[in-house]
Amino acid sequence: GAGVSQSPRYKVTKRGQDVALRCDPISGHVSLYWYRQALGQGPEFLTYFNYEAQQDKSGLPNDRFSAERPEGSISTLTIQRTEQRDSAMYRCASSLALAWQETQYFGPGTRLLVL
Amino acid sequence: GQSLEQPSEVTAVEGAIVQINCTYQTSGFYGLSWYQQHDGGAPTFLSYNALDGLEETGRFSSFLSRSDSYGYLLLQELQMKDSASYFCAVRASYNTDKLIFGTGTRLQVFP
Repeated sequence: GAGVSQSPRYKVTKRGQDVALRCDPISGHVSLYWYRQALGQGPEFLTYFNYEAQQDKSGLPNDRFSAERPEGSISTLTIQRTEQRDSAMYRCASSLALAWQETQYFGPGTRLLVL
Repeated sequence: GQSLEQPSEVTAVEGAIVQINCTYQTSGFYGLSWYQQHDGGAPTFLSYNALDGLEETGRFSSFLSRSDSYGYLLLQELQMKDSASYFCAVRASYNTDKLIFGTGTRLQVFP
């Protein structure tokens, strides 16, 4: 079966514009996670969902960042009024069950560049 | 704050054994995971330890000592394809699946 997919793979935008990043998890996976990864660093947690419920958004940097997963499958991470410091790789991951020790499967990421 | 420390880089030759250490300072501890990430690729899961001791999965093993807040990943019979970055990650709270990742260790395997 297909893995986690993300779109777009690359996004270049101008400062002040809004962007929406999409994640399509592995079919049947209950949990979905968003991370941000700077070059040479480990993934930094942003938020996660179980089904459609957002369980933890403590990693979202500020109120310009939001995420939703309205039907418990595809998720969108939205960044409003982008700033240059938002430039990074944004990764999505999904896991099969609610058990926290479940393996997280990462997607290829969306590389965001804010000019 | 919460932090996971790893060596920034490790080098070894093919066929050798290498150990990548991870020390953590977190508010709680509910398991240590290891992920591998090749350049340009996505992190992929390698192993998980919830209890003290050694877990073996083929050429890779992972160890945990909760009393020392310490774990390591052991890679045996190194191959060129093992050249990658390796991250440890901790779940620090019982009421969230949030993972805190370490700083990462870049492993270079030479022929």
